[in-house]
Amino acid sequence: NAGVMQNPRHLVRRRGQEARLRCSPMKGHSHVYWYRQLPEEGLKFMVYLQKENIIDESGMPKERFSAEFPKEGPSILRIQQVVRGDSAAYFCASSPVQPSGANVLTFGAGSRLTVL
Amino acid sequence: TQLLEQSPQFLSIQEGENLTVYCNSSSVFSSLQWYRQEPGEGPVLLVTVVTGGEVKKLKRLTFQFGDARKDSSLHITAAQPGDTGLYLCAGFNAGNNRKLIWGLGTSLAVNP
Repeated sequence: NAGVMQNPRHLVRRRGQEARLRCSPMKGHSHVYWYRQLPEEGLKFMVYLQKENIIDESGMPKERFSAEFPKEGPSILRIQQVVRGDSAAYFCASSPVQPSGANVLTFGAGSRLTVL
Repeated sequence: TQLLEQSPQFLSIQEGENLTVYCNSSSVFSSLQWYRQEPGEGPVLLVTVVTGGEVKKLKRLTFQFGDARKDSSLHITAAQPGDTGLYLCAGFNAGNNRKLIWGLGTSLAVNP
């Protein structure tokens, strides 16, 4: 019973390149969340998706960042034209049901992006 | 401005000691969760507290949710080196159960 799988675990990009981070939720989970962790800022919500739908993207930067969760395959967080400030750990979490009350998320091990 | 303030930021103790870490806010949360994060890994959920005044125990860990649902504490009895890690509190604001709001964490080191 695999947990939330994220890849790559580590990604190095030069400024201006694109970064694609993938997340496969736990089996039976249909809700995916992306969070970003910066050293001095803690974890911040980015986006919440269900299959083929973006439900809440209020934490996503207005430009260069996009997320999708297609009918088949993993969720993808895409960062275009990366800058040094995008260097961070990106965590994906999943949950099994419509979030209500004490929503319980299972987190992946994260993808660590380094922009040179 | 951090909505959830955790204290202390760092704590280094000897094996066998007791400790308490705190998670405080001026906002009301519908629920609070405590996570533990190891270096290079994602947060792992320890407990969820929902009701004001609720106390939950997980072996040597005791979690309490404040009566007003604005704060929480984690008490560890007879700490062991295996308890070393970053302890994070996170909560859902009343009316929004999609976005977890996180504290910066307490980094605990238990020395043998």
